[in-house]
This record gives sequence, structure tokens and C-alpha cells, in this order.
Amino acid sequence: EAGVAQSPRYKIIEKRQSVAFWCNPISGHATLYWYQQILGQGPKLLIQFQNNGVVDDSQLPKDRFSAERLKGVDSTLKIQPAKLEDSAVYLCASRAPPLGVTEAFFGQGTRLTVV
Amino acid sequence: AQSVAQPEDQVNVAEGNPLTVKCTYSVSGNPYLFWYVQYPNRGLQFLLKYITGDNLVKGSYGFEAEFNKSQTSFHLKKPSALVSDSALYFCAVRDQNRDDKIIFGKGTRLHILP
Repeated sequence: EAGVAQSPRYKIIEKRQSVAFWCNPISGHATLYWYQQILGQGPKLLIQFQNNGVVDDSQLPKDRFSAERLKGVDSTLKIQPAKLEDSAVYLCASRAPPLGVTEAFFGQGTRLTVV
Repeated sequence: AQSVAQPEDQVNVAEGNPLTVKCTYSVSGNPYLFWYVQYPNRGLQFLLKYITGDNLVKGSYGFEAEFNKSQTSFHLKKPSALVSDSALYFCAVRDQNRDDKIIFGKGTRLHILP
């Protein structure tokens, strides 16, 4: 089966600019996660969707970050305006329906550099 | 709140020797535990998981992990290390009694010396 697709792979922007990342999860996966991975640190959960509803966004800086999953499939994560400390890899992951215990599958990530 | 600790930033092992990467966790209920590996410029790849039952779980590429409830640990092991095992390893936990949130440790860089 196809994996989690993310685009773009790399993005360089100036501070105060806007940027958007796209994620297409594995077909049929109801749960979708966005993680931020700063260099040298573990992935930090930003937001979790179950279908098109938000389950957890407690770590999302809502003054500048937003995310949506309108039809319960693809998702976009937006940063507006970007700050230097937003430089990180943004990882999208998806997981099958909650019957049983399944692992999350990750995309290759989008590396964001804010200059 | 859920948390994961990986006490070692880096582990160095000679090729052919056994390796251990340590992980301890904290959850309010029973844990689901995972190990992932990350190669440069790649996403995280799933290695293995503990759900219930046998405390020793086997995963991809010859890795295994031992669940110890009393010590709240889930150490990753391999009997004989390969140079190609050099990568960044992440332990993760999910609380059975909560939603699907998966929390990761900060990672341990494994360096296998030829």
C-alpha cells in the first residue's frame, strides 16, 4: 500500500512569511497526526485528528499555527507568520481505525528553514 | 500525563556486539509501547510494539524489546549489531485508557563502530 505522502520536502522562507504543508495519509486511516521535530529533539505532537475532527491540539501555537482536515482525508498545516524558532521538520503520520492496537505510519517530513 | 525518557543521547557499540537502547515511560493506565528508527532525511520507521502478553517482543531487522512493568521500562535490544543499524532511535508510548495520543522520547543516536 502507498505510504503517507507529504509535500513539499523542503521549504525556505523569511520570518513573518506564511507557509503551508500538505499531507495525504494512508487510505482508510482515520487518525492523522502532525508532529514538529526540532533538530536534536524528539517529535512533538502538534495536533491530532480523528476523521475530520480535532482530538487534541493542546500543543499547537494557535496564534500562528492552524490545521485542517476538511473531508477526513488530506490535511494541511499552516504557519502565519513564521518565526525563526519554527525551523524544524514537520512530520505527518496516520493510523488505522482504533480497533486493535496499530502503530502510526510516518511520511518523510517537510524540512522548514526560517531565515 | 504521559511521558517517555531516553536517558542516553548516544550509544556506541562495536559491530558484532550486543546493543541496548534504554527507555522508561510514565502513563496513568496501561501502556502501549513502540520503537521507531529514523535514518537521515527520512521519516520515522516502525520497528516493534508491545501491547500485552509476552514481555519480550520481536520486530524488524532483528531487533527486540523487553517490557518490564515494575521498572516501567521498554529497552530495545539486538544480539549482534550491524554498522547499518547506526541511526536515531525513538521510544514512544500511548496510554490504553486515553485517546490515541502518541508521545515520543527525545531519541538516542546509535553509532555502530566497524
